[in-house]
Amino acid sequence: QKEVEQNSGPLSVPEGAIASLNCTYSDRGSQSFFWYRQYSGKSPELIMSIYSNGDKEDGRFTAQLNKASQYVSLLIRDSQPSDSATYLCAVDTGRRALTFGSGTRLQVQP
Amino acid sequence: GAVVSQHPSWVICKSGTSVKIECRSLDFQATTMFWYRQFPKQSLMLMATSNEGSKATYEQGVEKDKFLINHASLTLSTLTVTSAHPEDSSFYICSAIGGGQSTDTQYFGPGTRLTVL
Repeated sequence: QKEVEQNSGPLSVPEGAIASLNCTYSDRGSQSFFWYRQYSGKSPELIMSIYSNGDKEDGRFTAQLNKASQYVSLLIRDSQPSDSATYLCAVDTGRRALTFGSGTRLQVQP
Repeated sequence: GAVVSQHPSWVICKSGTSVKIECRSLDFQATTMFWYRQFPKQSLMLMATSNEGSKATYEQGVEKDKFLINHASLTLSTLTVTSAHPEDSSFYICSAIGGGQSTDTQYFGPGTRLTVL
């Protein structure tokens, strides 16, 4: 079982819609959770971090964490074509180094 | 703030040669730096954790004699790929934490694309 799992996609949504990205993790001791966006050929850029159960909102982005279900999600409201990228879920299991999921490719159709 | 740079951004070398990649934290002191590798259409895989002034900790399966890491100062870590082979061709990305930044948030460099002929 992979430590961090994501659906590889592509997830295709129309412009203006809500994109929902999901991630599950296996280590119950994980404390910190991150969503990164990666454009092709570029390094990841941090979108959101979340540490406690519930929702965390930042602009058009909302991260949701459910530690009991070992589940993290990212919602992108009013999706724009510029949001088209691969979204990486990353987990810190306490080692400070990050374990990444394989990423979900999002395509926002104009 | 929290800018991390890498040099070079891309490099092409012949098989058997060594390549050095630099990772610098520009506006903070990085007590810990990480080196990741990403093959095409795959996710980032941690290679090693580097703490300033001490030996790097390598992940299982990563040859420490092949991938030499030096974290000589709080703003610089280097990765040297020794005797590079075509299978070492990859996207190498460093990240850093420390200083006044959140100790949980890693800031990534722009990456170095290595192609070994």
